[in-house]
Amino acid sequence: TQLLEQSPQFLSIQEGENLTVYCNSSSVFSSLQWYRQEPGEGPVLLVTVVTGGEVKKLKRLTFQFGDARKDSSLHITAAQPGDTGLYLCAGARYGGATNKLIFGTGTLLAVQP
Amino acid sequence: DVKVTQSSRYLVKRTGEKVFLECVQDMDHENMFWYRQDPGLGLRLIYFSYDVKMKEKGDIPEGYSVSREKKERFSLILESASTNQTSMYLCASSFFDRFNQPQHFGDGTRLSIL
Repeated sequence: TQLLEQSPQFLSIQEGENLTVYCNSSSVFSSLQWYRQEPGEGPVLLVTVVTGGEVKKLKRLTFQFGDARKDSSLHITAAQPGDTGLYLCAGARYGGATNKLIFGTGTLLAVQP
Repeated sequence: DVKVTQSSRYLVKRTGEKVFLECVQDMDHENMFWYRQDPGLGLRLIYFSYDVKMKEKGDIPEGYSVSREKKERFSLILESASTNQTSMYLCASSFFDRFNQPQHFGDGTRLSIL
């Protein structure tokens, strides 16, 4: 089974701080998606990165796909309490009939006001 | 907006019982998925289906089965529930696409097996 390791597993920071979450694998993925999950809800897609080296920005969030398409990072600038949640990366693999996702182990972020 | 609805938010069952988890989506998606979510392990794929009556095993299918009789509905069945199946179960759906389609998730069913 292909694995996606995320680090750190937990992160507790003060409002206004910057942070980076890493998503690493030894396998190559066709694309990589980032989801955020809030308590009591299912994960919601934030972004999809497709091309090696690609950088996408979503307001204060910056996503990067590694050149070799094996890893990705999520950088949050000036974190706010509303950023609190579980962040999951997911690598796409083609599994015969359709696409499937391999999910990372998750990073639980708590932003204190 | 896409809506994926799971029939129960919380469920408590006893070991040995047969348990049914139901999931309905309203966006005519071809693909439907069942995951379980455990702390530190992320989401692990149990089964998925890409068409009515079609199903494929995911990474952890042991102890589970699925049913997809209609396009909008995908059921997960625990044939004989055991305590190690206590977990959060998430259903998801997506359009058929080889690589980039996002998956849309329900809010989950927290299942406890006593």
